[in-house]
Order: sequence, then C-alpha cells, then structure tokens
Amino acid sequence: EDQVTQSPEALRLQEGESSSLNCSYTVSGLRGLFWYRQDPGKGPEFLFTLYSAGEEKEKERLKATLTKKESFLHITAPKPEDSATYLCAVQAAGNTGKLIFGQGTTLQVKP
Amino acid sequence: GAGVSQSPSNKVTEKGKDVELRCDPISGHTALYWYRQSLGQGLEFLIYFQGNSAPDKSGLPSDRFSAERTGGSVSTLTIQRTQQEDSAVYLCASSLWGNTEAFFGQGTRLTVV
Repeated sequence: EDQVTQSPEALRLQEGESSSLNCSYTVSGLRGLFWYRQDPGKGPEFLFTLYSAGEEKEKERLKATLTKKESFLHITAPKPEDSATYLCAVQAAGNTGKLIFGQGTTLQVKP
Repeated sequence: GAGVSQSPSNKVTEKGKDVELRCDPISGHTALYWYRQSLGQGLEFLIYFQGNSAPDKSGLPSDRFSAERTGGSVSTLTIQRTQQEDSAVYLCASSLWGNTEAFFGQGTRLTVV
C-alpha cells in the first residue's frame, strides 16, 4: 500500500535556526513527490515537485531533496512568516494523478 | 480565472439534508480533483476527473457522495443525507494534465449539525 509518513508532527524554531523536515514514503513506482505549504484556513500552496533520486529544488529559504525512500525539506534561517503546515505527497506511476498525502509537519518560527 | 475557486466558503447544514459544493478550476486545466481534510487528519483523495469523465472514484466514502463535471470545467460534489462525520473541509484542485502539479482552492468548510 502506498504510504507517506512525515516527521516531526510539530517543530518549533527560533528565527534564524535552520532545520529539516522529513517525508518517508513507500510507493509502487514513484511518478513524483510534491511539497505543499498550508496556512490556517487556506488551501495547500504548491512549493516543489521532485521526480528522481538525487534531485534538488530551491525557493528562497527552502530546499527540497529526494532519495529513493525519503525527501527532506530544509529550511535555512527561517523567519516567522515561514510558520505553516508543510505537506508532502506522492504520486504513483501509472496512477491517475491522485496524490497521497502525509499528515504534515506544523512549523512555528518564533521571533 | 487566476486560481481555483470554490463556493461556498462555509456551509452549515442539518443532518439528513443534501448539500452541493462547487469548484471552478483554473482555465485550461483538464484534470480536477476533490479531497477531504478532516480535523487533525491528512488530505484524503475522493475523486479525479479528466475532462468530464471520472476514471478514479475510489476515494468516495459511500454512495451518498457523488460528483460531476460539465463542459470540462465546473465540478459539483454532492453529499446526500449528510451525517455528522461528513463535517470537514472539502478541497478542490486542478492541474494541466493528470500527472502535473495540482493547484488547490481555498476549500469549503462543511459543518453538519
């Protein structure tokens, strides 16, 4: 069964304190791994897509990496506005495009 | 439009009533998805449309749930005889094709009392 597990569930950082969020997955052939950001009361906002092991993508203070079993979202020198829930999802090969989501990591960055 | 639009934003209904939730996808997007997010839960897939067809309905939790899409654009999710466990945020997403990144709407928060 295709599955996504994110850790930790919650993370508190001081402004400027870098850290990483983990997304472990099992899927019958990975088509793509997606990272989204979700603010309270809003829909998920697309951040990155990764397709193959070794791939990396960056956007401002965020960097996503992918291996054959997991993905990391690295946050460098975070700011309070980075506080949100970060969602990881996988799309299986041969699938209809359905995304299988993890439970998310809720990040709080204190000034 | 510029993004995925969902209406209403909030809906409170009495147990046993039927509700309709609407989704306007991004113009030109052929794929459309419905997900459900319950309190403290992850996003749960409900149904996928490619054009007006629904090749994957595997996530619909019961026969009280149905969805349609017309003109390759607007979609409606209908829940009949609502139950309290149907209370959740219903999210719609669209993508250019079925295997490209999906963009989400703001969701409809459904409360069944």
